Amino acid sequence: AQRVTQPEKLLSVFKGAPVELKCNYSYSGSPELFWYVQYSRQRLQLLLRHISRESIKGFTADLNKGETSFHLKKPFAQEEDSAMYYCARPNTGNQFYFGTGTSLTVIP
Amino acid sequence: KAGVTQTPRYLIKTRGQQVTLSCSPISGHRSVSWYQQTPGQGLQFLFEYFSETQRNKGNFPGRFSGRQFSNSRSEMNVSTLELGDSALYLCASSFGQGEGLNTEAFFGQGTRLTVV
Repeated sequence: AQRVTQPEKLLSVFKGAPVELKCNYSYSGSPELFWYVQYSRQRLQLLLRHISRESIKGFTADLNKGETSFHLKKPFAQEEDSAMYYCARPNTGNQFYFGTGTSLTVIP
Repeated sequence: KAGVTQTPRYLIKTRGQQVTLSCSPISGHRSVSWYQQTPGQGLQFLFEYFSETQRNKGNFPGRFSGRQFSNSRSEMNVSTLELGDSALYLCASSFGQGEGLNTEAFFGQGTRLTVV
Protein backbone atom coordinates (compact mmCIF):
# COMPACT_ATOMS: atom_id res chain seq x y z
CA ALA A 1 0.00 0.00 0.00
CA GLN A 2 1.15 3.50 -0.73
CA ARG A 3 1.29 5.11 2.68
CA VAL A 4 2.90 7.91 4.61
CA THR A 5 4.33 7.40 8.07
CA GLN A 6 4.86 9.95 10.79
CA PRO A 7 6.89 8.24 13.51
CA GLU A 8 6.39 10.90 16.18
CA LYS A 9 2.98 11.45 17.77
CA LEU A 10 4.22 14.22 20.02
CA LEU A 11 7.06 16.69 19.62
CA SER A 12 8.04 19.51 21.93
CA VAL A 13 10.62 22.16 21.21
CA PHE A 14 11.56 25.45 22.79
CA LYS A 15 10.76 28.72 21.10
CA GLY A 16 13.58 29.70 18.79
CA ALA A 17 14.88 26.17 18.44
CA PRO A 18 14.87 24.33 15.12
CA VAL A 19 12.07 21.91 14.50
CA GLU A 20 11.79 18.91 12.20
CA LEU A 21 8.66 16.86 11.78
CA LYS A 22 9.33 13.56 10.11
CA CYS A 23 7.42 11.98 7.29
CA ASN A 24 8.36 8.87 5.34
CA TYR A 25 6.49 7.48 2.39
CA SER A 26 6.26 4.18 0.61
CA TYR A 27 5.69 4.62 -3.07
CA SER A 28 7.39 3.21 -6.09
CA GLY A 29 6.90 6.17 -8.40
CA SER A 30 7.44 9.88 -8.05
CA PRO A 31 5.21 10.97 -5.20
CA GLU A 32 3.26 14.13 -4.75
CA LEU A 33 3.39 15.01 -1.06
CA PHE A 34 1.67 17.56 1.12
CA TRP A 35 1.85 18.90 4.63
CA TYR A 36 -1.44 19.89 6.25
CA VAL A 37 -1.74 21.73 9.56
CA GLN A 38 -4.58 21.95 12.04
CA TYR A 39 -4.36 24.73 14.60
CA SER A 40 -6.46 24.54 17.72
CA ARG A 41 -10.16 24.98 16.90
CA GLN A 42 -9.40 25.64 13.23
CA ARG A 43 -9.97 23.58 10.15
CA LEU A 44 -7.34 21.42 8.56
CA GLN A 45 -5.50 23.49 5.96
CA LEU A 46 -2.72 23.05 3.46
CA LEU A 47 0.67 24.20 4.70
CA LEU A 48 2.79 23.34 1.71
CA ARG A 49 3.29 20.83 -1.06
CA HIS A 50 6.51 19.65 -2.59
CA ILE A 51 5.49 20.32 -6.16
CA SER A 52 5.43 24.07 -5.62
CA ARG A 53 8.69 24.11 -3.64
CA GLU A 54 7.52 27.07 -1.57
CA SER A 55 8.14 28.17 1.98
CA ILE A 56 5.12 28.94 4.10
CA LYS A 57 5.35 30.51 7.56
CA GLY A 58 9.05 29.72 7.50
CA PHE A 59 8.49 26.00 6.95
CA THR A 60 10.16 24.07 4.17
CA ALA A 61 10.06 20.43 3.16
CA ASP A 62 12.39 18.69 0.79
CA LEU A 63 11.60 15.48 -0.96
CA ASN A 64 14.42 12.99 -0.44
CA LYS A 65 13.83 10.10 -2.79
CA GLY A 66 16.83 8.17 -1.50
CA GLU A 67 15.47 8.16 2.03
CA THR A 68 11.82 8.27 0.89
CA SER A 69 11.25 11.17 3.23
CA PHE A 70 9.50 14.52 3.17
CA HIS A 71 10.44 16.03 6.50
CA LEU A 72 9.02 19.42 7.49
CA LYS A 73 11.56 21.86 8.88
CA LYS A 74 11.70 25.30 10.38
CA PRO A 75 14.91 26.89 11.67
CA PHE A 76 13.33 28.87 14.51
CA ALA A 77 10.08 27.63 16.06
CA GLN A 78 7.45 30.12 17.19
CA GLU A 79 4.69 29.63 19.74
CA GLU A 80 2.06 30.02 17.03
CA ASP A 81 3.49 26.95 15.30
CA SER A 82 1.96 24.75 17.98
CA ALA A 83 -0.51 22.59 16.09
CA MET A 84 -1.21 19.16 14.68
CA TYR A 85 0.72 18.44 11.49
CA TYR A 86 -0.22 15.80 8.95
CA CYS A 87 1.83 14.52 6.07
CA ALA A 88 -0.35 13.40 3.18
CA ARG A 89 -0.16 11.83 -0.23
CA PRO A 90 -2.96 11.92 -2.79
CA ASN A 91 -4.28 8.73 -4.29
CA THR A 92 -6.52 8.54 -7.31
CA GLY A 93 -9.19 11.17 -7.50
CA ASN A 94 -9.35 13.31 -4.41
CA GLN A 95 -8.46 10.63 -1.89
CA PHE A 96 -5.58 11.40 0.46
CA TYR A 97 -3.55 9.04 2.57
CA PHE A 98 -2.76 10.89 5.77
CA GLY A 99 -0.13 10.06 8.30
CA THR A 100 -1.23 9.67 11.89
CA GLY A 101 -0.11 13.20 12.64
CA THR A 102 2.42 14.86 14.91
CA SER A 103 1.33 17.21 17.65
CA LEU A 104 3.89 19.99 17.91
CA THR A 105 4.16 22.04 21.07
CA VAL A 106 6.44 25.05 21.12
CA ILE A 107 7.43 25.86 24.67
CA PRO A 108 7.78 29.58 25.43
CA LYS B 1 -14.84 32.84 -1.71
CA ALA B 2 -16.84 30.86 0.82
CA GLY B 3 -15.14 27.83 2.26
CA VAL B 4 -16.40 24.31 2.74
CA THR B 5 -19.43 24.30 5.01
CA GLN B 6 -20.48 21.35 7.11
CA THR B 7 -23.71 21.05 9.05
CA PRO B 8 -24.46 20.44 11.77
CA ARG B 9 -21.33 21.25 13.76
CA TYR B 10 -22.27 19.05 16.69
CA LEU B 11 -24.53 16.05 16.99
CA ILE B 12 -25.41 13.67 19.79
CA LYS B 13 -27.13 10.42 18.91
CA THR B 14 -27.89 7.18 20.70
CA ARG B 15 -26.76 3.74 19.65
CA GLY B 16 -28.84 2.23 16.93
CA GLN B 17 -29.98 5.52 15.48
CA GLN B 18 -28.98 6.82 12.09
CA VAL B 19 -27.51 10.19 11.19
CA THR B 20 -27.06 12.35 8.11
CA LEU B 21 -24.27 14.89 7.77
CA SER B 22 -24.14 17.55 5.10
CA CYS B 23 -21.30 19.20 3.21
CA SER B 24 -21.40 22.15 0.84
CA PRO B 25 -18.18 22.38 -1.19
CA ILE B 26 -16.46 25.47 -2.49
CA SER B 27 -18.20 26.83 -5.55
CA GLY B 28 -16.82 25.19 -8.69
CA HIS B 29 -15.44 22.16 -6.88
CA ARG B 30 -16.87 18.90 -8.13
CA SER B 31 -15.12 16.48 -5.82
CA VAL B 32 -16.14 15.89 -2.22
CA SER B 33 -14.36 13.50 0.10
CA TRP B 34 -15.27 12.41 3.61
CA TYR B 35 -12.89 11.50 6.41
CA GLN B 36 -13.31 10.23 9.93
CA GLN B 37 -10.91 11.77 12.44
CA THR B 38 -10.29 10.15 15.80
CA PRO B 39 -7.44 10.58 18.30
CA GLY B 40 -6.34 6.99 17.93
CA GLN B 41 -6.67 6.45 14.19
CA GLY B 42 -6.07 9.92 12.81
CA LEU B 43 -7.72 10.71 9.48
CA GLN B 44 -9.35 7.76 7.81
CA PHE B 45 -10.77 8.09 4.31
CA LEU B 46 -14.42 7.15 3.95
CA PHE B 47 -15.32 7.87 0.33
CA GLU B 48 -15.11 10.39 -2.46
CA TYR B 49 -17.78 11.62 -4.82
CA PHE B 50 -17.18 13.32 -8.13
CA SER B 51 -19.99 14.52 -10.38
CA GLU B 52 -22.57 12.58 -8.36
CA THR B 53 -20.66 9.29 -8.63
CA GLN B 54 -18.71 7.53 -5.93
CA ARG B 55 -15.16 7.43 -7.23
CA ASN B 56 -13.25 5.99 -4.28
CA LYS B 57 -14.19 4.12 -1.15
CA GLY B 58 -12.26 3.42 2.03
CA ASN B 59 -12.46 0.42 4.34
CA PHE B 60 -15.57 1.21 6.29
CA PRO B 61 -18.63 -1.01 6.78
CA GLY B 62 -21.71 -0.63 4.65
CA ARG B 63 -23.40 1.33 7.45
CA PHE B 64 -21.48 4.30 6.11
CA SER B 65 -22.87 5.64 2.87
CA GLY B 66 -22.98 8.87 0.97
CA ARG B 67 -24.28 10.65 -2.03
CA GLN B 68 -23.68 13.77 -4.04
CA PHE B 69 -26.22 16.03 -5.63
CA SER B 70 -26.08 17.84 -8.96
CA ASN B 71 -24.93 21.04 -7.22
CA SER B 72 -21.98 19.06 -5.76
CA ARG B 73 -23.36 19.19 -2.22
CA SER B 74 -22.82 15.91 -0.47
CA GLU B 75 -24.40 14.01 2.36
CA MET B 76 -23.02 11.21 4.46
CA ASN B 77 -25.25 8.76 6.28
CA VAL B 78 -24.39 6.40 9.08
CA SER B 79 -27.00 3.82 10.04
CA THR B 80 -27.26 1.72 13.19
CA LEU B 81 -24.83 3.93 15.08
CA GLU B 82 -22.25 2.35 17.35
CA LEU B 83 -20.29 3.93 20.19
CA GLY B 84 -17.14 3.62 18.10
CA ASP B 85 -18.60 5.90 15.45
CA SER B 86 -18.04 8.87 17.75
CA ALA B 87 -15.60 11.05 15.86
CA LEU B 88 -15.06 14.26 13.98
CA TYR B 89 -16.26 13.82 10.41
CA LEU B 90 -14.48 16.02 7.91
CA CYS B 91 -15.48 16.89 4.43
CA ALA B 92 -13.00 18.10 1.83
CA SER B 93 -13.63 19.55 -1.59
CA SER B 94 -11.43 20.04 -4.61
CA PHE B 95 -11.67 20.50 -8.34
CA GLY B 96 -11.06 16.79 -8.49
CA GLN B 97 -9.41 16.63 -11.87
CA GLY B 98 -5.84 16.74 -13.04
CA GLU B 99 -2.76 16.73 -10.90
CA GLY B 100 -0.47 19.25 -9.34
CA LEU B 101 -2.14 22.34 -7.96
CA ASN B 102 -5.61 21.03 -8.63
CA THR B 103 -5.30 18.24 -6.11
CA GLU B 104 -5.33 20.54 -3.08
CA ALA B 105 -8.18 19.60 -0.77
CA PHE B 106 -10.02 22.26 1.20
CA PHE B 107 -11.52 21.06 4.44
CA GLY B 108 -14.61 22.00 6.35
CA GLN B 109 -14.62 22.49 10.09
CA GLY B 110 -16.21 19.13 10.61
CA THR B 111 -19.18 17.64 12.36
CA ARG B 112 -18.51 16.33 15.84
CA LEU B 113 -20.64 13.21 16.29
CA THR B 114 -21.06 11.73 19.73
CA VAL B 115 -22.84 8.42 20.09
CA VAL B 116 -24.11 7.62 23.58
